[in-house]
Amino acid sequence: KAGVTQTPRYLIKTRGQQVTLSCSPISGHRSVSWYQQTPGQGLQFLFEYFSETQRNKGNFPGRFSGRQFSNSRSEMNVSTLELGDSALYLCASSLLGMSTDTQYFGPGTRLTVL
Amino acid sequence: GQQVMQIPQYQHVQEGEDFTTYCNSSTTLSNIQWYKQRPGGHPVFLIQLVKSGEVKKQKRLTFQFGEAKKNSSLHITATQTTDVGTYFCAGNAGNMLTFGGGTRLMVKP
Repeated sequence: KAGVTQTPRYLIKTRGQQVTLSCSPISGHRSVSWYQQTPGQGLQFLFEYFSETQRNKGNFPGRFSGRQFSNSRSEMNVSTLELGDSALYLCASSLLGMSTDTQYFGPGTRLTVL
Repeated sequence: GQQVMQIPQYQHVQEGEDFTTYCNSSTTLSNIQWYKQRPGGHPVFLIQLVKSGEVKKQKRLTFQFGEAKKNSSLHITATQTTDVGTYFCAGNAGNMLTFGGGTRLMVKP
């Protein structure tokens, strides 16, 4: 089975711009979770989507949003980028959901905000 | 909200020495997962513990889940350079999975 894929792998944006990141889960997996990883804050949970519905949400401002399509692919959007948004954004897919199942992480998208 | 604390933050060991990382949750967990992230890589699932007092072994790695289901530990016996990376615990409570801050293990050959 192919693993979790994320595109793009690297991205450079400037403050105020917006960005969309994409995640394709393992075939058959219905849950996709997004995380922000920074050296100082570790792995911070953003949100989880399951069958096109947001099931859980972390403590991030409304500038961070996401969605999931009928084929389980998910996108994450960050509007009005700030310098502090520079991070590695990881998505993880699982069969039944983050709380009960093994999560398979993608390689991540490295976002740099200048 | 739920908090998961992990100590130590960093650990340097000589190859062949043992290593332990500890994970403590502010709330009772239904299960706990452990992940390893190699430098430059992404987290990879190691194991899930569900039962109170559960102990699981994977070769040189021993995982424990506390009796109260609020703490867990990962012990590596006789570390090798291939053990280098950051080890994360992730506790599940109320349908939310919360990651600890991770313990970065460095092994001197």
